[in-house]
Amino acid sequence: SQTIHQWPATLVQPVGSPLSLECTVEGTSNPNLYWYRQAAGRGLQLLFYSVGIGQISSEVPQNLSASRPQDRQFILSSKKLLLSDSGFYLCAWRLWGQGFPFFGQGTRLTVV
Amino acid sequence: GQQVMQIPQYQHVQEGEDFTTYCNSSTTLSNIQWYKQRPGGHPVFLIQLVKSGEVKKQKRLTFQFGEAKKNSSLHITATQTTDVGTYFCADFQGAQKLVFGQGTRLTINP
Repeated sequence: SQTIHQWPATLVQPVGSPLSLECTVEGTSNPNLYWYRQAAGRGLQLLFYSVGIGQISSEVPQNLSASRPQDRQFILSSKKLLLSDSGFYLCAWRLWGQGFPFFGQGTRLTVV
Repeated sequence: GQQVMQIPQYQHVQEGEDFTTYCNSSTTLSNIQWYKQRPGGHPVFLIQLVKSGEVKKQKRLTFQFGEAKKNSSLHITATQTTDVGTYFCADFQGAQKLVFGQGTRLTINP
């Protein structure tokens, strides 16, 4: 069966520090991968999605970047965090052209 | 891009009362998906509606897709405290890009 792993679960980082969040999927190949951000009490904002290795679509101009170095690995990064980067970051996967995404457990990031 | 608007933003009900959230779009939706997010948790898929006028039920939950495929609703009959959470609708823009509504946060007074 397919599983999605996202870590860490919580993270507190100072302003100006770098960020790297990793998401991996097991039990499938060539998934579509997504990064969403959810501010406290707000909706889900699509940040990036990827349909294949090295293929990244960016949805919102921001302080973040994404990479997909391997088929089932999706990384969210920042060189210098801002206070406004705080939020709940969710990774999701989906089989191409099929159904609905499955979400990871999320990383709650607080920038201080 | 296409906007998926969801109302209301918040809803507080007494346990046992019904609850409805609505999802609206100015353009035709390819299909509509509904998710539930418990407080502190991640979104969990509930259902997908594809056909115009489609109605699906899951126990006390009834999902509808409008005839013109521009709106959808989720109705919960006789809410229970386990229904607490935020309900999102979502639509695919293009083949791969899943965009969510802003969600309706449901709180329940026991």
